[in-house]
Amino acid sequence: EIVLTQSPATLSLSPGERATLSCRASQSVSSYLAWYQQKPGQAPRLLIYDASNRVTGIPARFSGSGSGTDFTLTISSLEPEDFAVYYCQQRTNWPSITFGQGTRLEIK
Amino acid sequence: QVQLQQSGPGLVKPSETLSLTCTVSGYSISSGYYWGWIRQPPGKGLEWIGSIYHSGSTYYNPSLKSRVTTSVDTSKNQFSLKLSSVTAADTAVYYCARFGTRDVYWGQGTPVTVSS
Repeated sequence: EIVLTQSPATLSLSPGERATLSCRASQSVSSYLAWYQQKPGQAPRLLIYDASNRVTGIPARFSGSGSGTDFTLTISSLEPEDFAVYYCQQRTNWPSITFGQGTRLEIK
Repeated sequence: QVQLQQSGPGLVKPSETLSLTCTVSGYSISSGYYWGWIRQPPGKGLEWIGSIYHSGSTYYNPSLKSRVTTSVDTSKNQFSLKLSSVTAADTAVYYCARFGTRDVYWGQGTPVTVSS
């Protein structure tokens, strides 16, 4: 089973700052890596699929990069509504999927 | 617009079977996609439970496989989850979802507590 490890567990930043979230896979997932945002009491929202493709309607300040085992979600300039928990997810053995443990992005 | 509406009890006794149903509107299950279940224990991360195709092909998380059954009823445009022999560790918010490689539609989530 492929394990996804996200870092850091918690990231404290201020609005306007740049956020860099990491996701590392225990073995190659090619580019089959997605990123989700989850706010309290809500279902997760898909932001990025296949490592670097932004879902329609997702602001351009969100970008994804990486391939193989190392991936990054970057939020170029944080808006107040971006503070949430972020999960990566791999689909190498689609439709089986696994998630990372999450990174909490909190206001500093 | 695709919408998923979950139904089922919010309280299940230990050792009994958790049963949830997801009713789909705005899209026919028979047309394709994988339909699945995700859960999230209180204060914790997301765990994939399993997925089913409209043909009935199933795929389960190995850690839950022995206790999970999913089914699809195309006549009602519904799919369902059964999780047997539940314990307190199965207490979570359960989500149904339509999984695509480029989009995901979610149900509203059902908080389920396992307690006597």
